[in-house]
Amino acid sequence: NAGVTQTPKFQVLKTGQSMTLQCAQDMNHEYMSWYRQDPGMGLRLIHYSVGAGITDQGEVPNGYNVSRSTTEDFPLRLLSAAPSQTSVYFCASMAGAANQPQHFGDGTRLSIL
Amino acid sequence: QKEVEQDPGPLSVPEGAIVSLNCTYSNSAFQYFMWYRQYSRKGPELLMYTYSSGNKEDGRFTAQVDKSSKYISLFIRDSQPSDSATYLCAPKRYGGATNKLIFGTGTLLAVQP
Repeated sequence: NAGVTQTPKFQVLKTGQSMTLQCAQDMNHEYMSWYRQDPGMGLRLIHYSVGAGITDQGEVPNGYNVSRSTTEDFPLRLLSAAPSQTSVYFCASMAGAANQPQHFGDGTRLSIL
Repeated sequence: QKEVEQDPGPLSVPEGAIVSLNCTYSNSAFQYFMWYRQYSRKGPELLMYTYSSGNKEDGRFTAQVDKSSKYISLFIRDSQPSDSATYLCAPKRYGGATNKLIFGTGTLLAVQP
């Protein structure tokens, strides 16, 4: 029972490089989200999806792209990495009912030099 | 004004102490009030939630919501070293984008043996 799987766990990039953070869930959840977690800022929503083919922006979407071609996968793309994007990134999924919990992966720790 | 305010701590208590963790919020549309626990280098996991005002107890944990004052509390009785973690409050509206959780910044708790 894998739940939400994020890869890679750690990554170091140079400014201007691009990369994709992978997220996969095996619970057939409709909803998936990407958050970043920074000291003193808590978890902030980047992008979210309510189903395959449907995505929308969260609180801090600039510099990131997402797509949702399947129910299981929700990759996050950094287009041109900047030092301000150094953070811990969490992917989460949840079932449809409002009182259901979000299930989080263990995060990707990303450093931009 | 942030939608959710939470004292970041750190909060250090001796084993066996009663712990009180608190959040305030500004949006009166919030109806579900969730508490997540996050261990170091892990993703958050749902600890418990309440719907509307009142108390909910689960073992050593009690969640309390006062909608009139927009105040959320989590009490931990007989605290254990294994309770050492960051605790995040996350109120949520009913309906709309149900996976758009707004998180507090989290309170870091350390229970000393």
